[in-house]
Amino acid sequence: DTAVSQTPKYLVTQMGNDKSIKCEQNLGHDTMYWYKQDSKKFLKIMFSYNNKELIINETVPNRFSPKSPDKAHLNLHINSLELGDSAVYFCASSQNSGGPLWTDTQYFGPGTRLTVL
Amino acid sequence: AQSVAQPEDQVNVAEGNPLTVKCTYSVSGNPYLFWYVQYPNRGLQFLLKYITGDNLVKGSYGFEAEFNKSQTSFHLKKPSALVSDSALYFCAVRERDKIIFGKGTRLHILP
Repeated sequence: DTAVSQTPKYLVTQMGNDKSIKCEQNLGHDTMYWYKQDSKKFLKIMFSYNNKELIINETVPNRFSPKSPDKAHLNLHINSLELGDSAVYFCASSQNSGGPLWTDTQYFGPGTRLTVL
Repeated sequence: AQSVAQPEDQVNVAEGNPLTVKCTYSVSGNPYLFWYVQYPNRGLQFLLKYITGDNLVKGSYGFEAEFNKSQTSFHLKKPSALVSDSALYFCAVRERDKIIFGKGTRLHILP
């Protein structure tokens, strides 16, 4: 069973289009994340949700809008796609273990490679 | 200053030799440190973390890391490298309300 899954795996689209990436975790975790990995493999947090509530919203264009219909899902919708949005987007999840904040192990999905033409 | 730094873009090691992947950090307060590995076309996988306790942390696949407070380092080590260890390794540190990842170090194990 896949713990953290993302769809689609590959997404090729034209500039200006709107697209969504879906993420689901079957681990029963409370917290989910979206990361962007650029062509140089630099990984940066975009958003984090805890029990469907937004808790991290980094400096990301407002064209990016996360949606969490329930705590097992965190989808990423992107409006008016730009060339610079081309990257691999990773979803991750973690379980609040009661330890110090932000120290829980994160489990990553396989990534969605977005190419904007 | 960077919260977490991986000074080497790439490390080459012969199979069977010990390997070290370097990481230094700069955060205020208690440092919470992590290592993740990314195999080609895959998501990141957790290797180990230091929260508190013993400075030597043991993790998955025979890896370990030593927390050194005086040198603000958390180097990843393995006594005997395998070709299958070839991957991209990320050091990460908690900073305030999020985890910051280093830029990654590509490890090549040469047969």
